[in-house]
Amino acid sequence: QKEVEQDPGPLSVPEGAIVSLNCTYSNSAFQYFMWYRQYSRKGPELLMYTYSSGNKEDGRFTAQVDKSSKYISLFIRDSQPSDSATYLCAMSGGSQGNLIFGKGTKLSVKP
Amino acid sequence: DSGVTQTPKHLITATGQRVTLRCSPRSGDLSVYWYQQSLDQGLQFLIQYYNGEERAKGNILERFSAQQFPDLHSELNLSSLELGDSALYFCASSLGSGGPTEAFFGQGTRLTVV
Repeated sequence: QKEVEQDPGPLSVPEGAIVSLNCTYSNSAFQYFMWYRQYSRKGPELLMYTYSSGNKEDGRFTAQVDKSSKYISLFIRDSQPSDSATYLCAMSGGSQGNLIFGKGTKLSVKP
Repeated sequence: DSGVTQTPKHLITATGQRVTLRCSPRSGDLSVYWYQQSLDQGLQFLIQYYNGEERAKGNILERFSAQQFPDLHSELNLSSLELGDSALYFCASSLGSGGPTEAFFGQGTRLTVV
């Protein structure tokens, strides 16, 4: 079993839809959870960062962490064509400073 | 712009050759991380340096090595290149050494081995 599992998609939604992206993980030592957005031919860009369990909201984006289920989610409200990108979850136990990434979900928001 | 600069942007080289990828971290960041991104493996952590010292090692091949210089820029050396080494190589930087805090990624170097 891989440490971090993420459905690669692709996921196609109409503009204005609510998007739900998810990752599961197996390592209970993970404490830091992130979501990165990566546009084609660009580097990953940090979107959301959560420590331990709970929810975090930033504009149209909400990140949720459920450590009991080893499950994290990213919700995008009122999705826009500019949200079309690959979304990568990443996590870390904090002891070494390196991130374990999911393979990414490719999202396409159609006008 | 993340503030992390990677050069070159593209590199095409032959099998068996050696290349050096360069990374300048964001101003003030002491940690540099190297990642490899391929279609089948996704983003894989290679190695981390903090203030000139190796701090963590991931799935880095013995043919690969890295270092961080006193001015905090870092270089990733890839030798005896194979076709399978073709990938995007990303550098990221962060302020601290432990915990990912917020790692900012560069634009990557696309390596093609022919």
